[in-house]
Amino acid sequence: AQTVTQSQPEMSVQEAETVTLSCTYDTSESDYYLFWYKQPPSRQMILVIRQEAYKQQNATENRFSVNFQKAAKSFSLKISDSQLGDAAMYFCAYRSALAMNNNAGNMLTFGGGTRLMVKP
Amino acid sequence: GAVVSQHPSWVICKSGTSVKIECRSLDFQATTMFWYRQFPKQSLMLMATSNEGSKATYEQGVEKDKFLINHASLTLSTLTVTSAHPEDSSFYICSASRQIQETQYFGPGTRLLVL
Repeated sequence: AQTVTQSQPEMSVQEAETVTLSCTYDTSESDYYLFWYKQPPSRQMILVIRQEAYKQQNATENRFSVNFQKAAKSFSLKISDSQLGDAAMYFCAYRSALAMNNNAGNMLTFGGGTRLMVKP
Repeated sequence: GAVVSQHPSWVICKSGTSVKIECRSLDFQATTMFWYRQFPKQSLMLMATSNEGSKATYEQGVEKDKFLINHASLTLSTLTVTSAHPEDSSFYICSASRQIQETQYFGPGTRLLVL
């Protein structure tokens, strides 16, 4: 079974600064997807960024980028020019790329989350 | 596109009653829907996965007779918490995907409080 670990329960960043959230995972599979989700106080889960394991190029979405190190099984999220609206819980998630009839290949495995605080 | 709604957004009920939570994909047809449970300051735990027209697949430790899931159409899945008890109080979140292996889109969640 896959596991996802976020070693930082809380992080703090000054507005306009850059912060990196860590995520490591354990899997025996070679093909998979990794995600970062944001959960603001409203508790609506919002997809921030997605990375396919077969792609060497790191995914970027505006101020959000990842550092995907497949050999090290590491998937960190960098938030540049932090804004007050970035304050939220951030969850790293793993999903297998194998399509299975019993839906096991569809399920997301989440890390424990990192609470990001942004100081004005 | 890809909006998922949940109803109700919060519910308070007495112990022993049943509560039904609806999850709807508003602008797409969802082949697969997922139900998660989240305790305060914790991560999401998958409860079950459902495909339209078939029985749900429950995760280990989740009582299928307690948490009834019905995925009757491509836009609606329901979770019924039967004979609810205070320990069932939690935040329940659904997600939906168009096809197998596609991105999951999450609903806004339902807060359940059982007195």
